Amino acid sequence: SYEVTQPPSVSVSPGQTASISCSGDKLGGKYTYWYQQRPGQPPELVIYQDNKRPSGIPERFSGSNSGNTATLTISGTQAMDEADYYCQAWDSSPIFGGGTKLTVL
Amino acid sequence: QITLKESGPTLVKPTQTLTLTCNFSGISLTTSGVGVGWIRQAPGKALEWLALIYWDDDKLYSPSLRRRLTITRDISKNQVVLTMTNMDPLDTATYYCAHRQINMAFDPWGQGTLVTVSS
Repeated sequence: SYEVTQPPSVSVSPGQTASISCSGDKLGGKYTYWYQQRPGQPPELVIYQDNKRPSGIPERFSGSNSGNTATLTISGTQAMDEADYYCQAWDSSPIFGGGTKLTVL
Repeated sequence: QITLKESGPTLVKPTQTLTLTCNFSGISLTTSGVGVGWIRQAPGKALEWLALIYWDDDKLYSPSLRRRLTITRDISKNQVVLTMTNMDPLDTATYYCAHRQINMAFDPWGQGTLVTVSS
């Protein structure tokens, strides 16, 4: 079955750029979605179809997808961006990654 | 504005059947490409997709759980119902329903409901 893999954790200093990867076989040929989940809250969509931002999501969130890796990039990271981030792709069904805890130090 | 809200028991015993209801508004479950899905999250763990029902009543299930899951819809009541049989303590989790958009994103999500499986 298809799988996507994320690093368990990423750390970033405030104001710097955070990059969270999501890897899967030929993932670049599939659409990737990214969700932010703050503690005690449901997930919130921050990127859809690789690089599109839903209304209300800050411009500092961007995405890319090529080859075997999709990347969520947060530019000018803020303390409020500290959260768990999940990538999701579609194979014959939805597939979620294991999540990445972003720490803003 | 789309909203979804999950409801169901907070505690079930092992071997029992769990029935969860997702009440939604602002979704037309007859619009091509639209669906409602169920996703769960065990405490401290990752998201796990369970099931999805589409505008045309087509259904998808997680391969690892398909024998235990049934998803149905009642368009007149704006509800999607998930049943899971033979519950086990490992099924303890927060269960979310979410709107599956035409662009295939899950957005938005309900607040989730915590289900504990214990005797």
